[in-house]
Amino acid sequence: GESVGLHLPTLSVQEGDNSIINCAYSNSASDYFIWYKQESGKGPQFIIDIRSNMDKRQGQRVTVLLNKTVKHLSLQIAATQPGDSAVYFCAERMASGTYKYIFGTGTRLKVLA
Amino acid sequence: NAGVTQTPKFRILKIGQSMTLQCTQDMNHNYMYWYRQDPGMGLKLIYYSVGAGITDKGEVPNGYNVSRSTTEDFPLRLELAAPSQTSVYFCASSSEGLGGTEAFFGQGTRLTVV
Repeated sequence: GESVGLHLPTLSVQEGDNSIINCAYSNSASDYFIWYKQESGKGPQFIIDIRSNMDKRQGQRVTVLLNKTVKHLSLQIAATQPGDSAVYFCAERMASGTYKYIFGTGTRLKVLA
Repeated sequence: NAGVTQTPKFRILKIGQSMTLQCTQDMNHNYMYWYRQDPGMGLKLIYYSVGAGITDKGEVPNGYNVSRSTTEDFPLRLELAAPSQTSVYFCASSSEGLGGTEAFFGQGTRLTVV
């Protein structure tokens, strides 16, 4: 089956800098995408989502960009803080009406003091 | 609001033993999911349910069974545990809200089969 993948397994950034985490997806029919944050020993937490009819969505300090032409998703974190250190997953919802989510392997974000 | 609650948090099983991982949610969500997470890997869907009485296989269903007798509960059953089932298991639920259908996750169950 098709799956979601990530370009970088680990990303290290200086505190205060902006972070960009990338994700490639392969199912052109997927209609909904989510970014999750997972801290050590915890379950994934929702960060931000975007529907396929949009190309950008902003939240508090986070922005998700969707490029359907190249099937690419990115998460931008502004002014990265130590509390942002975690593993970040992108997920796609298969456009089958079954509400199944397919997750990528995750990128570990390390914030350097 | 408890959200999604999983029990137990940790468990060690011997090969061939069986157990049930419990999951309950208090958000009245129709959709519930079981995932496993292996080290360095993304979440893999084991089973999911779109409502009470309805379940379906995900990507990696072999060795597992589920039931959904109520909206709130979605237990995952392991029969004849194998070392390959050593993993962290996450239960999740979601709704069909217009604002989005993100899944809410439990804290996970860390299972070791020895």
